[in-house]
Amino acid sequence: QKEVEQNSGPLSVPEGAIASLNCTYSDRGSQSFFWYRQYSGKSPELIMSIYSNGDKEDGRFTAQLNKASQYVSLLIRDSQPSDSATYLCAVNGVHGGTASKLTFGTGTRLQVML
Amino acid sequence: KAGVTQTPRYLIKTRGQQVTLSCSPISGHRSVSWYQQTPGQGLQFLFEYFSETQRNKGNFPGRFSGRQFSNSRSEMNVSTLELGDSALYLCASSLTTGSLNYGYTFGSGTRLTVV
Repeated sequence: QKEVEQNSGPLSVPEGAIASLNCTYSDRGSQSFFWYRQYSGKSPELIMSIYSNGDKEDGRFTAQLNKASQYVSLLIRDSQPSDSATYLCAVNGVHGGTASKLTFGTGTRLQVML
Repeated sequence: KAGVTQTPRYLIKTRGQQVTLSCSPISGHRSVSWYQQTPGQGLQFLFEYFSETQRNKGNFPGRFSGRQFSNSRSEMNVSTLELGDSALYLCASSLTTGSLNYGYTFGSGTRLTVV
């Protein structure tokens, strides 16, 4: 079982629709969760972080965390063509409280169609 | 505020050579991590440094090494290069380390090609 799993896609949604991206993780002790966006040929860009169960909203983005189900999701409302990118889920594992290791999923490619 | 700076942006090396990549974190960030990104494997963790100490290491051979200086700048070195080392090497910095990490900011990366 991979440590962080994502559907590779592509996930195609029409412009203006809601895009829903999902991620599951295996380390129950994980405490920090992140979503990165990566455009082709560019480096990952942090777009959302979430630390406790529930929803966290920032503009058109909503991150959802369910630690009991070991599940993280990202919703993108009113999707735009500029949202077309690969979305990476990252989970920070616990290493004695004094070290970090962000483990990434392989990413979901999102295509927003005109 | 300057971002994470990685140099050089591109490198072409021959098998068997060694290479050193440099990373300057965001001012005030003390944690620096290195990742290797390839189309087949995605982002793979190499190591993390905090306060000049390696705090964590990924599953890479000993040919991959790194260090961090007192000003938080970091270097990674790959010795005896192999064709499979061709990848995008990304450096990321963070204010803190540990279980409550506030997320890493990535540099633009160094594209290494081994021929």
